[in-house]
Amino acid sequence: DTEVTQTPKHLVMGMTNKKSLKCEQHMGHRAMYWYKQKAKKPPELMFVYSYEKLSINESVPSRFSPECPNSSLLNLHLHALQPEDSALYLCASSQDRYGYTFGSGTRLTVV
Amino acid sequence: GQQLNQSPQSMFIQEGEDVSMNCTSSSIFNTWLWYKQDPGEGPVLLIALYKAGELTSNGRLTAQFGITRKDSFLNISASIPSDVGIYFCAGQLPRADGLTFGKGTHLIIQP
Repeated sequence: DTEVTQTPKHLVMGMTNKKSLKCEQHMGHRAMYWYKQKAKKPPELMFVYSYEKLSINESVPSRFSPECPNSSLLNLHLHALQPEDSALYLCASSQDRYGYTFGSGTRLTVV
Repeated sequence: GQQLNQSPQSMFIQEGEDVSMNCTSSSIFNTWLWYKQDPGEGPVLLIALYKAGELTSNGRLTAQFGITRKDSFLNISASIPSDVGIYFCAGQLPRADGLTFGKGTHLIIQP
């Protein structure tokens, strides 16, 4: 299995909702990442988990809360988002600097 | 943050033409990656480069890791319609986990 699987593919949520994005990989990668990508822009790093521990938080607002339940799973919990948070959210994994693989993303729309 | 200068921003070419794009930086990277992204999808890894001077091919694609470790290029030979999309370079700094992306090259193939 050489894939990173993200669910759901699309999500529409209100500004008072709580939702979660999920990411799964079975490549044995020890680093997992969340990126945010706005239309026609490159992906921007949000969070890095290394060996299930949060190692980097790129000054992301607290309305985004990551969680790594085990080495194969990564969640992104969303609460009280703003319309400007609408974007494609990408999960990725790697083993050190090798095999850097992205999922197909969750298209999030905040209404 | 670190910047990757990717050029050109867009390319309008005829089917069958060769394509060349590049990324430069003032910083030294220890990994260069080239991705292709289709609308609504995640980036798909095309070529990974891990050593200065490395030249790697993947079918009609060829990429090189610059000898100074501050640049990389991607060539596509004999372009076909399915090559249309946005191409991103991405670099990984020494002792960093996340990737720094270029702004992308939008490849458009005219009939």
